[in-house]
This record gives sequence, structure tokens and C-alpha cells, in this order.
Amino acid sequence: SQTIHQWPATLVQPVGSPLSLECTVEGTSNPNLYWYRQAAGRGLQLLFYSVGIGQISSEVPQNLSASRPQDRQFILSSKKLLLSDSGFYLCAWTLAGGGETQYFGPGTRLLVL
Amino acid sequence: SQQGEEDPQALSIQEGENATMNCSYKTSINNLQWYRQNSGRGLVHLILIRSNEREKHSGRLRVTLDTSKKSSSLLITASRAADTASYFCATDAKNAAGNKLTFGGGTRVLVKP
Repeated sequence: SQTIHQWPATLVQPVGSPLSLECTVEGTSNPNLYWYRQAAGRGLQLLFYSVGIGQISSEVPQNLSASRPQDRQFILSSKKLLLSDSGFYLCAWTLAGGGETQYFGPGTRLLVL
Repeated sequence: SQQGEEDPQALSIQEGENATMNCSYKTSINNLQWYRQNSGRGLVHLILIRSNEREKHSGRLRVTLDTSKKSSSLLITASRAADTASYFCATDAKNAAGNKLTFGGGTRVLVKP
């Protein structure tokens, strides 16, 4: 069966520090991968998605970047965090070639102080 | 603005009552999905309804879709305290690359025992 992992679960970082959040999927090959951010009490905003290794599409201009160095690994990064980067970050995957349902990881709560 | 907008934003009911929430969207879709999120957790897929379907059931869940009005509703019958969560609709727009979903702001449901 497939599983998705995210770490860390919680992170408190000072403004201006770098960021690296990791997401890995097990039990499937060549998944589509997604990074979302969720502000408190709000819906999900799609940040990046990837349909293959090294293929990244950005949805909104921002202080963040994403990379997919391996088939089942998706990394969200920043060189210098802003206060506005605080939020709940969720990674999700779908089956390759047009899977409709998205399967979410447990999320990372980021607080930038 | 987001593709999907849920109404109401919050709902408080007694155990055993039915909970109904609505979702409106703006563009043509391939399908519409409903997800559930417990506080501080990832989202879990509940049900998917395709653009050529009008109603779908899954256990205590009933979803309707009216493509002429660009709206959907989710009904939870005989609610339980464990149904307390936020519920999100998400649309898979036609011609959207990467099987992207656009999420609404969610409905927070509180089921009181």
C-alpha cells in the first residue's frame, strides 16, 4: 500500500533563516506531487506541482521554491523565510498519468518568528 | 479568488442531525471532490462526483452536483461527534495541467454530543 511522509511535523524558525521541508511517497512510481499551504482556518493554496523528476511548476510567485531530486521525493525550500511564510504545509500525491484523487501527508506546521 | 467556495463557513449541530454544506465554483470541471480535515491533520478524500453525474452516495454521505448552477452539496446524515471536522470541496478543472485541484475555503462542522 502507498504511504506519504512529511517532516518535520513542526518547525519554528527565525525570519531570514533557510527552510527545507521534505515529502516522500512509498509504494507507487512516478506520482504527481503537490505542495500546498494552508493559513489558519482557511482553504488550501497550491504552491507547486510536479509530474516527474526535475519537473516543477510554480503556481504563485513567492519566496519559496521546490525540487524533485528523486521520483518519490519532493522538497520545499526557502533561502530566507518571511513572517508571511508561516502556515501549515501539506504535500499530496496522485497516481501517475491522471489520477484524480489526491492523498495527503500529515503536514508540517511552520511558525516564522 | 478560489474556484470553490463553501457555504456556510461554520456549522454547529446536535448528534443525530443532518449536516448540509454547499460549494460553488466558476469554471467547467471534470469532477468535483469532497475532502475532510481533522484539526491539525492532512486531508482525507471522501467522495468524487464526475461532471456527468448528478448524485452520488457513500455510506452516510450524499453528494449532488448541478453543473448548470456550478454548485454541489454534501449531506452527512445522522451525524456523529466523530464527524466534527472541516470539509472542503475541490474542483478538477477541464484543461488543467497536472491534475491540479482547486480547493474552497471549507466548512467547519461541529457535532455536539
